[in-house]
Amino acid sequence: NAGVTQTPKFQVLKTGQSMTLQCAQDMNHEYMSWYRQDPGMGLRLIHYSVGAGITDQGEVPNGYNVSRSTTEDFPLRLLSAAPSQTSVYFCASRPAGTGNYEQYFGPGTRLTVT
Amino acid sequence: AQKITQTQPGMFVQEKEAVTLDCTYDTSDQSYGLFWYKQPSSGEMIFLIYQGSYDEQNATEGRYSLNFQKARKSANLVISASQLGDSAMYFCAMREGPNTGNQFYFGTGTSLTVIP
Repeated sequence: NAGVTQTPKFQVLKTGQSMTLQCAQDMNHEYMSWYRQDPGMGLRLIHYSVGAGITDQGEVPNGYNVSRSTTEDFPLRLLSAAPSQTSVYFCASRPAGTGNYEQYFGPGTRLTVT
Repeated sequence: AQKITQTQPGMFVQEKEAVTLDCTYDTSDQSYGLFWYKQPSSGEMIFLIYQGSYDEQNATEGRYSLNFQKARKSANLVISASQLGDSAMYFCAMREGPNTGNQFYFGTGTSLTVIP
């Protein structure tokens, strides 16, 4: 199993450009999430999905779109990049349920918006 | 209000000593889960330990233990016999119950440095 994969690892964008961060998991997990990590602020939830076709907003959704057409993939779209979106982005997945279901994280994407 | 509070931005510990990293949480759910993750300088998030809200015993995983005090809403991580490789950021997280969408919330982290 590859686990959770993210591409690209690094990206530099100019203000106003759009792009898609890719996330895929091969563990058949129902739940997938996108977080951003900024210094001193921990991880903040952007969007999440509880299954194919179902997405919802997290704590900081503005400027981002998601879709979940398959169980495996959960791309994050930046519509018009802003310097405030410079961050490290993590995708995570886990099984549904309320037991000891840790989140499995991808390696992260370091995004810089100039 | 913050769901997860980690009040120690940075901690130092001598190699081979034990260290406690503090975490308090805020939820009105009866069913929730508490997690600790380690993030070394390489950036990946590594799961360490889990405690369920209904678990009577404190969770342990090797040198890691979770000091769960439900009435005080605290879930401190204890690392025994610290090693140089323990130097990293540590994040406390909470998964709330189904009534609030099973969302995860993370604290701001504690940077641990192990001194030889």
